Amino acid sequence: GESVGLHLPTLSVQEGDNSIINCAYSNSASDYFIWYKQESGKGPQFIIDIRSNMDKRQGQRVTVLLNKTVKHLSLQIAATQPGDSAVYFCAELYNTDKLIFGTGTRLQVFP
Amino acid sequence: EAGVVQSPRYKIIEKKQPVAFWCNPISGHNTLYWYRQNLGQGPELLIRYENEEAVDDSQLPKDRFSAERLKGVDSTLKIQPAELGDSAVYLCASSLDQLLQFFGPGTRLTVL
Repeated sequence: GESVGLHLPTLSVQEGDNSIINCAYSNSASDYFIWYKQESGKGPQFIIDIRSNMDKRQGQRVTVLLNKTVKHLSLQIAATQPGDSAVYFCAELYNTDKLIFGTGTRLQVFP
Repeated sequence: EAGVVQSPRYKIIEKKQPVAFWCNPISGHNTLYWYRQNLGQGPELLIRYENEEAVDDSQLPKDRFSAERLKGVDSTLKIQPAELGDSAVYLCASSLDQLLQFFGPGTRLTVL
């Protein structure tokens, strides 16, 4: 079946550094990709999205890059802060109505 | 504006017992989703409602799981009987346009 996967289960970064979280997807027909942040004991929270006809989108301190050639998605967080510590999921919207999540990457920020 | 509300937040039951989860979506959101999230994994869709209608329940284990959204607002998800493998976090989400889904805090179910 279709799947979305992540390269690294845990990423540790120093406060103030930039973080890059990667994701590989397998369904080339997906037209929409989303990054979610999930803190302990909470539901996933929307961070940023990107449509398949774009290759880059920027938000506040976050940038999502989409490389359709190699089916790769990344989330860049600038000046990582302790509050960024969480599990990050990429998700793809399949058939315009089915959201498929990847396994998740835990981001740990240390002082 | 209030977010998606779920209750209870935690539930511990013995196997073979029934359990029910409740969800109140964001006001005005016609689409409601139930997901199951196993430890260390991403959420997996169980069922999606458009108003009162279940439009995608293909991943719902219908032998023991049931859901309803009678008035197109609140929803309940039931498991009867629960099995050890049902231990997970059950998330409810709602949306206006199926693109941006807002998630509740989830119910953590432990089956002993």
